[in-house]
Amino acid sequence: QVTLKESGPVLVKPTETLTLTCTVSGFSLSNARVGVSWIRQPPGKALEWLAHIFSNDEKSYSTSLKSRLTISKDTSKSQVVLTMTNMDPVDTATYYCARTKISGLAVAGYDYWGQGTLVTVSS
Amino acid sequence: EIVMTQSPATLSVSPGERATLSCRASQSVSSNLAWYQHKPGQGPRLLIYGASTRATGIPARFSGSGSGTEFTLTISSLQSEDFAVYYCQQYNNWPPGTFGQGTKVEIK
Repeated sequence: QVTLKESGPVLVKPTETLTLTCTVSGFSLSNARVGVSWIRQPPGKALEWLAHIFSNDEKSYSTSLKSRLTISKDTSKSQVVLTMTNMDPVDTATYYCARTKISGLAVAGYDYWGQGTLVTVSS
Repeated sequence: EIVMTQSPATLSVSPGERATLSCRASQSVSSNLAWYQHKPGQGPRLLIYGASTRATGIPARFSGSGSGTEFTLTISSLQSEDFAVYYCQQYNNWPPGTFGQGTKVEIK
């Protein structure tokens, strides 16, 4: 059974750094072409992709947030970690991790998602 | 960036009726489109990928169609558990693979 679960602080102050952890089970982060993305959804707004990491450690970042994001993985712990620096109230959102679905050799959406974690940025 | 536009924003449907949701891309995404169902407190659930292929375990009442810039998700006979928000996502240009704003299917 594939599951993903996000964990991290529920409240961060402006200018602080957010660290979120996605713990996966039912698959290995070392399997070929396995990948995990972080996606967020501000209240009342659309889903926004943030970053992705593949099993070969290939990484991608949102163009607009690239300077603030770092994604990494610890295969032995089955965890994917996202850090976002210089948090602002506009970063208040539910943050999700999701596994990429691979069809053929290409990404075809996300087949498993965590339940999400709400992060509020406020002083 | 490819912009995905969903319509309507809210769809009021009675149980047992058909629901038709639309998604339009600002440029062609071929058939590289997915649909998700999202309920409060849960992560989105993949329903359709490749514009028309149902994901594992998805009931046959869900069907997807379209290619290029125009796509449709049809729920043939709404069940109580189908009332949720539905998102389309293009992955022709991935990353980032942009999402639509969502269509809320509510009970009429």
